[in-house]
Amino acid sequence: GAVVSQHPSWVICKSGTSVKIECRSLDFQATTMFWYRQFPKQSLMLMATSNEGSKATYEQGVEKDKFLINHASLTLSTLTVTSAHPEDSSFYICSALQPPQETQYFGPGTRLLVL
Amino acid sequence: AQSVTQLGSHVSVSEGALVLLRCNYSSSVPPYLFWYVQYPNQGLQLLLKYTTGATLVKGINGFEAEFKKSETSFHLTKPSAHMSDAAEYFCAVSDTGNQFYFGTGTSLTVIP
Repeated sequence: GAVVSQHPSWVICKSGTSVKIECRSLDFQATTMFWYRQFPKQSLMLMATSNEGSKATYEQGVEKDKFLINHASLTLSTLTVTSAHPEDSSFYICSALQPPQETQYFGPGTRLLVL
Repeated sequence: AQSVTQLGSHVSVSEGALVLLRCNYSSSVPPYLFWYVQYPNQGLQLLLKYTTGATLVKGINGFEAEFKKSETSFHLTKPSAHMSDAAEYFCAVSDTGNQFYFGTGTSLTVIP
């Protein structure tokens, strides 16, 4: 089966620092990856669509300068939370789109706690 | 625009009883349909999917779902619930492009 990894799984940082989260498709190439945010006991909130070799497409209300996305290769997308603040604390989940049937496979998630 | 509705944010069943989680969707084109399961503090795991062909789809852990176009439904079932099935379940629909729409999730509790 398709496997997507995320690193780190947990991160605690001080307010004002930047945090980078990596999302990798381990056994397939993904031209498209997605980044989601999930609040406790809620559904997924799509933040942005990451396209290999081009700029990410952000959902309305998501600050692109705050959440920097880079999709430099067909197996790696990164999300950088810049100048993190306590309100950015959340569970961040990535997924990768596996062609040809366009199925999303999800990473295990990264829990971010900003102090 | 597409949308997904999961009826019942919380479902409780006894161990060994039938599990039925409901999902209805709206789509202007033939959709791809998915069910995902999420255990606490984990990502989403694909349970099963419908793309084309047979409308009754079997997935992992004994789950299955049936695509009913006339009812615009894709309900998830399992004949006999197990304690390990307790989790959050998400239904999703895609228009075969890059747009996915998720339901709000159903939390399944299994009572011993």
